[in-house]
Amino acid sequence: GAGVSQTPSNKVTEKGKYVELRCDPISGHTALYWYRQSLGQGPEFLIYFQGTGAADDSGLPNDRFFAVRPEGSVSTLKIQRTERGDSAVYLCASSETGRNTGELFFGEGSRLTVL
Amino acid sequence: AQKITQTQPGMFVQEKEAVTLDCTYDTSDQSYGLFWYKQPSSGEMIFLIYQGSYDEQNATEGRYSLNFQKARKSANLVISASQLGDSAMYFCAMRPRYTGNQFYFGTGTSLTVIP
Repeated sequence: GAGVSQTPSNKVTEKGKYVELRCDPISGHTALYWYRQSLGQGPEFLIYFQGTGAADDSGLPNDRFFAVRPEGSVSTLKIQRTERGDSAVYLCASSETGRNTGELFFGEGSRLTVL
Repeated sequence: AQKITQTQPGMFVQEKEAVTLDCTYDTSDQSYGLFWYKQPSSGEMIFLIYQGSYDEQNATEGRYSLNFQKARKSANLVISASQLGDSAMYFCAMRPRYTGNQFYFGTGTSLTVIP
């Protein structure tokens, strides 16, 4: 596709369950970011991939959160033992490394609700 | 520390008038990029405009211009000839060039264009 694709668009789960959120970036974009956006807030950085490796995972709130990008394209954000506080919109973005502006191109987000 | 501050939680503007959305930032990096994003109610983050810290001229993109005052560390967005479709959340963001590669976002300003 032409843009960043995220699935599912909506996910409702129960406290304690495991969830996976998927991101398919723009073809050729080597940089991939995950952000979390709570209601009324700006996006909060979680993790950044350059190629297959996590170049910066300093934003992951705790060890229940993990993300992978095994082939340098699609990424999966994994959340174990979900808590109600994990409810938010999870945004994925990709960027073309080396471009001067290097702006982020965002997907439409995955809205996670933990009951 | 890197920080973006948007002090206007909500703004109103009459259709066809101009409006300025404020953004100040804090960074110890000498080289950085400044970005503005629009987030309509659909949730997707849309890139609007970019300003490099070493760019001498203020950036312009159609009806958007960035009033960059480096000494004051401010990067205000000016929208001219407001349209009803401009009603959305607007986020200012900064990416330091050398301190990691993450984008730092402000808390956003909600703009409502009144017919």
